[in-house]
Amino acid sequence: RKEVEQDPGPFNVPEGATVAFNCTYSNSASQSFFWYRQDCRKEPKLLMSVYSSGNEDGRFTAQLNRASQYISLLIRDSKLSDSATYLCVVNGNTGNQFYFGTGTSLTVIP
Amino acid sequence: AAGVIQSPRHLIKEKRETATLKCYPIPRHDTVYWYQQGPGQDPQFLISFYEKMQSDKGSIPDRFSAQQFSDYHSELNMSSLELGDSALYFCASSFQPNEQFFGPGTRLTVL
Repeated sequence: RKEVEQDPGPFNVPEGATVAFNCTYSNSASQSFFWYRQDCRKEPKLLMSVYSSGNEDGRFTAQLNRASQYISLLIRDSKLSDSATYLCVVNGNTGNQFYFGTGTSLTVIP
Repeated sequence: AAGVIQSPRHLIKEKRETATLKCYPIPRHDTVYWYQQGPGQDPQFLISFYEKMQSDKGSIPDRFSAQQFSDYHSELNMSSLELGDSALYFCASSFQPNEQFFGPGTRLTVL
């Protein structure tokens, strides 16, 4: 089983829609959680960290459910520029090893 | 703001050759990570360094080695290159194990 699993999608949504992605992780000892976005052939860019209490940054909301070992990302009022692959990242047993999910592809349609 | 710098951006090598990739972290970042991303795949963790010491090892082949120098830059050395080593190699840096910021990557093609 992979350390981090995501639904690869693709998700095709109209502009203005709300879309949610989930990501499950296998290591209950993981302490650090992040969402990154990656555009085609570019480097991953940090979107937001995920805190235990949940956090929001504009149209983006991230939540952590430790009991069920998943993190989620909610995007409200989708924009065309949100089209990208969204990667969840979780650390391993030690602090310096990080695992990426396979990414969820989002296309926002005009 | 200064970002992670990687060089070269593109590299073409032949099988069995060697390659060296360089990474210059964001100033004051003390942790460097290396990832390999094949076509259509997620980034795979190779190795990380914290304060110039190797801190974690992932799926890095024995043919590869890496180190972090006194100025915190890091180099990934790859020997006996194989066709399957063709990929995008990302370096990321952070201040202590934390949010990572990625460089633009080195695209390695092995012919």
